[in-house]
Amino acid sequence: DIVMTQTPLSSPVTLGQPASISCRSSQSLVHSDGNTYLSWLQQRPGQPPRLLIYKISNRFSGVPDRFSGSGAGTDFTLKISRVEAEDVGVYYCMQGTQFPYTFGQGTKLEIK
Amino acid sequence: EVQLVESGGGLVKPGGSLRLSCAASGFTFSSYSMNWVRQAPGKGLEWVSSITSSSSYRYYADSVKGRFTISRDNAKNSLYLQMTSLRAEDTAVYFCGRAMYGSGDYWGQGTLVTVSS
Repeated sequence: DIVMTQTPLSSPVTLGQPASISCRSSQSLVHSDGNTYLSWLQQRPGQPPRLLIYKISNRFSGVPDRFSGSGAGTDFTLKISRVEAEDVGVYYCMQGTQFPYTFGQGTKLEIK
Repeated sequence: EVQLVESGGGLVKPGGSLRLSCAASGFTFSSYSMNWVRQAPGKGLEWVSSITSSSSYRYYADSVKGRFTISRDNAKNSLYLQMTSLRAEDTAVYFCGRAMYGSGDYWGQGTLVTVSS
């Protein structure tokens, strides 16, 4: 199975400041079709997951442009350019390249 | 508007069975693969199972293989998860999600399954 490792696990951030979360996979996420199925999901308290970014860097419909994704192969990053109060929650990276799909442990974003 | 509504959760004894349902609307259900993901209390997300649009392929996490069965009824726009031989460690909120981009683009609110004597 592909192991997804996120750092940090907790991220206290000041409102208006940037935040960054890293995700590393135990093997390359490049699929045989050429795509890299690495996504980022946000889960606000008491809510279901919400897709933010798919295939490394594509923002899903309705996601603010302060969220961006980057990376390649086994190393990926989610960046929030200016954190807002509504961004509080847990962020997960997920690989959909190979079954079983796997998630990172989650990174809790909180406001300082 | 895409909507996914899970139902069927509840309290069940260890060794018991439960069938979860997910009612889909707002999109052509028969064109999409679907996922089940779960979240134990206070824990992270865990992928459980996926099924392709015509039910040709079904995939399971090792933790549920042989005990859970995913299925769908495209005529009823519904996804199911039949769970048998339930264990305490199956206690979780179960989310259904539409599969897209090797992820899930829309998710239901979840249904809670509690396995306890």
